Amino acid sequence: GENVEQHPSTLSVQEGDSAVIKCTYSDSASNYFPWYKQELGKRPQLIIDIRSNVGEKKDQRIAVTLNKTAKHFSLHITETQPEDSAVYFCAASGANAGGTSYGKLTFGQGTILTVHP
Amino acid sequence: EAQVTQNPRYLITVTGKKLTVTCSQNMNHEYMSWYRQDPGLGLRQIYYSMNVEVTDKGDVPEGYKVSRKEKRNFPLILESPSPNQTSLYFCASSQGTRGTDTQYFGPGTRLTVL
Repeated sequence: GENVEQHPSTLSVQEGDSAVIKCTYSDSASNYFPWYKQELGKRPQLIIDIRSNVGEKKDQRIAVTLNKTAKHFSLHITETQPEDSAVYFCAASGANAGGTSYGKLTFGQGTILTVHP
Repeated sequence: EAQVTQNPRYLITVTGKKLTVTCSQNMNHEYMSWYRQDPGLGLRQIYYSMNVEVTDKGDVPEGYKVSRKEKRNFPLILESPSPNQTSLYFCASSQGTRGTDTQYFGPGTRLTVL
């Protein structure tokens, strides 16, 4: 089945700096890669996603890049602000155990991002 | 208000006592899923459902059961809970059948099994 590895596990930056979080996946047939942000004590919320037919997607200060050949994708946050401090999760869609359908979503282990004022 | 609700929000129980955590969404979503969140392990999918009466195993299905008899409800059943099922549980739903769009998460259920 799909395996998603996320690095780093913690990331500390100064306000205004950029932050990059990287994920690798194992199932070459995966075609959907979302990123979720979880603030302390809250539920995860989608911040950006990318599909396999696109190499890059941007939404204001947030961008995601996808390299299908290398099977990795990255989250880029520019001009970080203290309110960006949270746990960030990447995920990849994949097949079920029998490979008969696609609906399984595998998450990375999470990155704790701290933005210092 | 469009939302995913879970009940109970907090539960302390003992080993072996069957329990059910309910999940309901009012957005007419096709896809629903259960996750558990443990420190250092991220979110791990337990079961998902692509449609009514269609469920499939996620990455950590052992010790859990689900059913999807109605579109809006997707309860999680622990028939004989054990301490290693102590965790924070999230239910989520999304519009399409394959979960490849925005997942809306419920508020979470913190379960402690003694």
